[in-house]
Amino acid sequence: DIQMTQSPSTLSASVGDRVTITCRASQSISSYLAWYQQKPGKAPKLLISKASSLESGVPSRFSGSGSGTEFTLTISSLQPDDFATYYCQQYYSYSTFGPGTKVDIK
Amino acid sequence: QVQLQESGPGLVKPSQTLSLTCTVSGGSISSGNYYFSWVRQPAGKGLEWIGRIYTSGTPNYSPSLRSRVSMSVDTSKNQFSLKLSSVTAADTAVYYCGLGLGYWGQGILVTVSS
Repeated sequence: DIQMTQSPSTLSASVGDRVTITCRASQSISSYLAWYQQKPGKAPKLLISKASSLESGVPSRFSGSGSGTEFTLTISSLQPDDFATYYCQQYYSYSTFGPGTKVDIK
Repeated sequence: QVQLQESGPGLVKPSQTLSLTCTVSGGSISSGNYYFSWVRQPAGKGLEWIGRIYTSGTPNYSPSLRSRVSMSVDTSKNQFSLKLSSVTAADTAVYYCGLGLGYWGQGILVTVSS
């Protein structure tokens, strides 16, 4: 099984901050990595696929990078709508989600 | 606009089989080689991948649930289904169905309790 970790588990930030979340895989997953945003009571929303490909309609302040075992999601300037939990997901071999990173208000 | 909707019992007794169906609207699932996923989320916890099934009917299941899970596709009804056997309270969660990476249902809460 491929295990996914995320850091930090919680991140306190202010509007306008640059935020970076790290996701690591237990073995190489090439670029088969997706990032999701989830708000309470809602389904996850796909932000990025293939590690760095921004989904249509997702604001350009979101970006993804990385390959192999280490990946990052960056929000260049945090907006009020961005306070949520973020998950990474590998889909290289079956699929696994990371444990999530909650971004809350500082 | 593709939409997915989960349906099924909201309450299942311990040791019984949980059965859910996902209905896809806004497009035919037989028109391409897609995969359909099930993911669950216990209250206050993270997302857990249960498995996926392709339009062809080929399934992939999470190793931790493989012995209890089965999935199927009915292209004539534009539906796919999940069965999880021998459920316990630990299977209580919101269950989401998905199409590819980007389309998800709203989720359905399934509680396992006598």
